[in-house]
Amino acid sequence: KAGVTQTPRYLIKTRGQQVTLSCSPISGHRSVSWYQQTPGQGLQFLFEYFSETQRNKGNFPGRFSGRQFSNSRSEMNVSTLELGDSALYLCASKDGAGLGGANVLTFGAGSRLTVL
Amino acid sequence: EDQVTQSPEALRLQEGESSSLNCSYTVSGLRGLFWYRQDPGKGPEFLFTLYSAGEEKEKERLKATLTKKESFLHITAPKPEDSATYLCAPSGGAQKLVFGQGTRLTINP
Repeated sequence: KAGVTQTPRYLIKTRGQQVTLSCSPISGHRSVSWYQQTPGQGLQFLFEYFSETQRNKGNFPGRFSGRQFSNSRSEMNVSTLELGDSALYLCASKDGAGLGGANVLTFGAGSRLTVL
Repeated sequence: EDQVTQSPEALRLQEGESSSLNCSYTVSGLRGLFWYRQDPGKGPEFLFTLYSAGEEKEKERLKATLTKKESFLHITAPKPEDSATYLCAPSGGAQKLVFGQGTRLTINP
């Protein structure tokens, strides 16, 4: 069974640009969550999508947005990039809506974004 | 607000030297506490879920325990391949994981 696939793995952008990151969940998983990981703040929750609907949202500005398609693939977008947006963006998938039991988050390897 | 603190931030051990990592949390309506391992350049990898105080889970040289305010990850006779960052993440009523900053564990041969 293929794992969670994130593309691109690395990218460099300049301030003011926008970026779109893609995540393909494990086959059959309907929930996709996004996290931002930085050395200073650690792993911070961005949002979760389940069956194309946003279920949960973290404390990030509106420049951060996401969506989920009918095949469960998800994208996140960051507009008007700032230097502080440089981070590893991690996508994770699970089958059901809840957490626990067989419903554990499986993470991808991440997309490392550098903003210059 | 849900809060998680892991200690120590970094720990260096000799191969075979046992120790424990701590995760203190304040979460309303704990649904579960998750432990993950993260290797450099990779995403976190699931280790355990604990649901209630007194529960213990084991996997190879790792044992996780849970109280009402803390979780411990005990590592017994570690090997160099156990070197990684260990992350704990409780989940409360909002059913999202709140991650601690992690403990960076280094096992020297």
